Amino acid sequence: QKEVEQDPGPLSVPEGAIVSLNCTYSNSAFQYFMWYRQYSRKGPELLMYTYSSGNKEDGRFTAQVDKSSKYISLFIRDSQPSDSATYLCAINSGGSNYKLTFGKGTLLTVNP
Amino acid sequence: DTGVSQNPRHKITKRGQNVTFRCDPISEHNRLYWYRQTLGQGPEFLTYFQNEAQLEKSRLLSDRFSAERPKGSFSTLEIQRTEQGDSAMYLCASSEAGPETQYFGPGTRLLVL
Repeated sequence: QKEVEQDPGPLSVPEGAIVSLNCTYSNSAFQYFMWYRQYSRKGPELLMYTYSSGNKEDGRFTAQVDKSSKYISLFIRDSQPSDSATYLCAINSGGSNYKLTFGKGTLLTVNP
Repeated sequence: DTGVSQNPRHKITKRGQNVTFRCDPISEHNRLYWYRQTLGQGPEFLTYFQNEAQLEKSRLLSDRFSAERPKGSFSTLEIQRTEQGDSAMYLCASSEAGPETQYFGPGTRLLVL
C-alpha cells in the first residue's frame, strides 16, 4: 500500500464550478499536510498547509484534514481557467523527518 | 526574484556521461532538498541538507548520485554514468523552518539518450 494515494484524474469542470480534490494516506504519524499546484513543466508551488486535523481557508481555496479517516481534501470555489494545473498533496510526519511524501497529482482542467 | 533557482533548466546528454545540476536556495533558508519527478508521478525525495550537512539520503539515490552543499549555500547534484532511467525532472526545494514550508525551484529537466 502506497503511503499517499491520490486519484490522478484527469478532472474537467466548467468555469465557476466547485472542485474537490482528495488524498488518502496510510500512516497515522503524519502531522503536516500540504497542497501544491504545478503548472506544466514548472516546479510545484505551495498553495496551503495545515497541521493536524481541521480546516484552513485562503481565498477561494479550503484545505480540510480528517485524521480519523486519514483523508485530506482541497476545495476550490468559483474555479477559473487559470486554476488548470496538476494539484499535488504532500504529507510529512514532523519531528526530525523533513522529507515530503507526495501523491501522484490530479490533473485539473477548468473550461471557460 | 528571490525564489529558488536551478540551472540548467534543461539538459540533454548521452548515456554514460556525467551531469551536474545546481540549486540556489532562498537566501535565508538553511534547509535544502532534492526531489526527482517522472512523468505522471509526484516528486520523490532524494536527499536533504541542513546547512552543509547531508542528513538524509533516499535509497533512490544510488552510488552514481552525489549531492553537496559546500558552505551551506548553493547545492549541486551530480549523476555519474547516466542511464536512460535517470531521465526525469530534478527539483530543488528550500525551507527556513519546518517541513511544511518547502518552496520549490523550477526544476532541471534531464533527458538521457
